[in-house]
Amino acid sequence: QVQLQESGPGLVKPSETLSLTCTVSGGSISSYYWSWIRQPAGKGLEWIGRIYTSGSTNYNPSLKSRVTMSVDTSKNQFSLKLSSVTAADTAVYYCARDQVGAKDDAFDIWGQGTMVTVSS
Amino acid sequence: SSELTQDPAVSVALGQTVRITCQGDSLRSYYASWYQQKPGQAPVLVIYGKNNRPSGIPDRFSGSSSGNTASLTITGAQAEDEADYYCNSRDSSGSVVFGGGTKLTVL
Repeated sequence: QVQLQESGPGLVKPSETLSLTCTVSGGSISSYYWSWIRQPAGKGLEWIGRIYTSGSTNYNPSLKSRVTMSVDTSKNQFSLKLSSVTAADTAVYYCARDQVGAKDDAFDIWGQGTMVTVSS
Repeated sequence: SSELTQDPAVSVALGQTVRITCQGDSLRSYYASWYQQKPGQAPVLVIYGKNNRPSGIPDRFSGSSSGNTASLTITGAQAEDEADYYCNSRDSSGSVVFGGGTKLTVL
């Protein structure tokens, strides 16, 4: 079955760029939407954005100026870059498969999550 | 972007029925999806679309919608259903929005 695994630094300095990669195994990355979602400790979920395997993206308006997503179909991976990070960006970051329907968005497969701390 | 509102906490006696609600203007146009999250784990999709359960989700979980309110119903709650539950939907700009989450306690 399809599995997702996030990878990247667990510690990022303030004002620097957070970079994470999600590797898709057990299936093809093609023809799906893929999203990044984060969750600060003890708080709720926040959608960061999605990317289609063509490279088309949609970002959360509140983060849009700092977010860049990309996809590498040859490696079955997609990536997140979040620039100018502050302590408020400290969270568990999840990648997820996004089943985009005509009237709904359902995240049916999730990675285990990776904790990213922003601190000097 | 649109907001989705959930009650912070709900409790239910073992074996009874509980309804968890999610309110927001976007729900007049889009369905809610529902997720169960246990401590230290990633969320799990339990309901999507009009009222669809992914494979492996017990049939005691069901979804419904009326106006600007979507509901997740657990009929015959079990101890293992104790968790945080989140709804999400899409807003008019195409962005995804999540509710703040409901902590379900099974007594």
